[in-house]
Amino acid sequence: AQSVTQLGSHVSVSEGALVLLRCNYSSSVPPYLFWYVQYPNQGLQLLLKYTSAATLVKGINGFEAEFKKSETSFHLTKPSAHMSDAAEYFCAVMPQYGQNFVFGPGTRLSVLP
Amino acid sequence: KAGVTQTPRYLIKTRGQQVTLSCSPISGHRSVSWYQQTPGQGLQFLFEYFSETQRNKGNFPGRFSGRQFSNSRSEMNVSTLELGDSALYLCASSFVGQGSGNTEAFFGQGTRLTVV
Repeated sequence: AQSVTQLGSHVSVSEGALVLLRCNYSSSVPPYLFWYVQYPNQGLQLLLKYTSAATLVKGINGFEAEFKKSETSFHLTKPSAHMSDAAEYFCAVMPQYGQNFVFGPGTRLSVLP
Repeated sequence: KAGVTQTPRYLIKTRGQQVTLSCSPISGHRSVSWYQQTPGQGLQFLFEYFSETQRNKGNFPGRFSGRQFSNSRSEMNVSTLELGDSALYLCASSFVGQGSGNTEAFFGQGTRLTVV
């Protein structure tokens, strides 16, 4: 079964510093890959998705992610953290088109002033 | 374009009771999925409905059930509630059409269920 790992349940960065949130998936066949963000008491909001087009995917709020098949990774980055980026981030895979998401455990991002 | 609407936002129920949660997807979306979110287990897939038919099902007991109506609105029901059913229940709607290539899912704000 497909699985997703996110290294680090909690990541803290200073405002203005680089954000790097890690995601690895288990499949040997590249699935569809997503990053979602969740603010307290809210649902999930899509940040970006990879669907076998460009390997570097740009999303909203200055986030981007790079798909690396050889490393089965889809790490999320942002050059400069903002206080408003503090939230929980979930990496998800959709093994095949139309199937349900398999989510990673999430990484809580704290941004320090 | 209205987003995904889940009602109610908050619920408190007693062990042994049953509960029904509602989800109205984005207009034109025919796929509705339900997820349970807890601190211990994270986000887990419950089931997915497409055109009034359950298409996928996660690994949950039969106490968890759902249905979808002709207007794509969906309900999920949990019977004989247990303390462990306390969670945020999220609904996601998708436009999944043949050859559409659209994999994006839009989530509602969730229903926070507390079982006491």
